[in-house]
Amino acid sequence: GAVVSQHPSRVICKSGTSVKIECRSLDFQATTMFWYRQFPKQSLMLMATSNEGSKATYEQGVEKDKFLINHASLTLSTLTVTSAHPEDSSFYICSAQTLAGETQYFGPGTRLLVL
Amino acid sequence: DQQVKQNSPSLSVQEGRISILNCDYTNSMFDYFLWYKKYPAEGPTFLISISSIKDKNEDGRFTVFLNKSAKHLSLHIVPSQPGDSAVYFCAASVGNQGGKLIFGQGTELSVKP
Repeated sequence: GAVVSQHPSRVICKSGTSVKIECRSLDFQATTMFWYRQFPKQSLMLMATSNEGSKATYEQGVEKDKFLINHASLTLSTLTVTSAHPEDSSFYICSAQTLAGETQYFGPGTRLLVL
Repeated sequence: DQQVKQNSPSLSVQEGRISILNCDYTNSMFDYFLWYKKYPAEGPTFLISISSIKDKNEDGRFTVFLNKSAKHLSLHIVPSQPGDSAVYFCAASVGNQGGKLIFGQGTELSVKP
């Protein structure tokens, strides 16, 4: 149980385009999902907290207009990187928190490369 | 400000021996701690957690110890197996902050046959 999927697993795009990443909890409902990014050899940095039916809460330094988050249902959250630039190239990981507990289950991640 | 620190970037252990991964934190408000295992280009996999009301939690080969006065936790893996080789992250959260996790930098464990 507690499986989280992400799509796509890898994406290459041109600078200036937008990329959408989907995060789904497959066998449980999640009122809260989280989006992280990880640069090589570094820790996971929380970008934003996504709550179903309400606006996302962004961490300090994360541009909300650049990283659009939508949490339309209890099993789906999307992250859209708008007008992507090479410095946005990173590994983006989502997690979903079960309704009952404090444990977060992570998706497999999406590798974004902006050329 | 690094609130959760894993000061050892790497650890090498012989198969069958004990692996001890350490984690220190600075925020006394943290009340829930987790350990995750991560392979390259994959998402973290949850291993074990501990609430601040406990000082030990055990699950099979994995045991987490929490020393609140020292703001220190550790993950013990006994016996270590080559398949345990991965990067291990500790994470902490404050109960009233909606589950937001703060991660350490990770420790790369290598278990040699």
